[in-house]
Amino acid sequence: AQSVTQPDIHITVSEGASLELRCNYSYGATPYLFWYVQSPGQGLQLLLKYFSGDTLVQGIKGFEAEFKRSQSSFNLRKPSVHWSDAAEYFCAVGGDTGFQKLVFGTGTRLLVSP
Amino acid sequence: NAGVTQTPKFRVLKTGQSMTLLCAQDMNHEYMYWYRQDPGMGLRLIHYSVGEGTTAKGEVPDGYNVSRLKKQNFLLGLESAAPSQTSVYFCASSYSARLNYGYTFGSGTRLTVV
Repeated sequence: AQSVTQPDIHITVSEGASLELRCNYSYGATPYLFWYVQSPGQGLQLLLKYFSGDTLVQGIKGFEAEFKRSQSSFNLRKPSVHWSDAAEYFCAVGGDTGFQKLVFGTGTRLLVSP
Repeated sequence: NAGVTQTPKFRVLKTGQSMTLLCAQDMNHEYMYWYRQDPGMGLRLIHYSVGEGTTAKGEVPDGYNVSRLKKQNFLLGLESAAPSQTSVYFCASSYSARLNYGYTFGSGTRLTVV
């Protein structure tokens, strides 16, 4: 069964600094990988997704993520963080055959300091 | 706007009371899901449905029942609420059995059982 590990529960970044959120997955075949963002009191919004092809994927709000099969990782990055990026970020994994359900990580809460 | 609507947004229940959470989507999605979100545990799948009239158990189904009598609606029931069911509940839907399109999430229902 697939699983996702987000090793950082909280991360604090200064506004304008770069950001990298870590995600490691476990899946026996080709994974479908997602990053979602949850602003306080809101639902989950899709930031980006990876299925195949170019391992560097671009998403909304200036985010990008890089798929590294050898490391089973799908880390989320942003070159310059804005105060509005403060939220909780979830990595999720699913498979590419048949009916698939998304499995989510435990989330990383991003705090942005002035 | 098209999307997933959850009602109610907030609810406080006494132990032993029952209630039903409603999820409605207007995107003609075939697949629908109920997740619960707890601190440090991410999102865990409660039940899901692969089409009208079908339901299936997810990762944490105990204490919950579901029904999908109409394609656009997915109901989550708590027959006898317990404090352990205090959580934020999210409904999601998807167009395809495969994950190409990801999930669309509702804004959540915050349930407190006292």
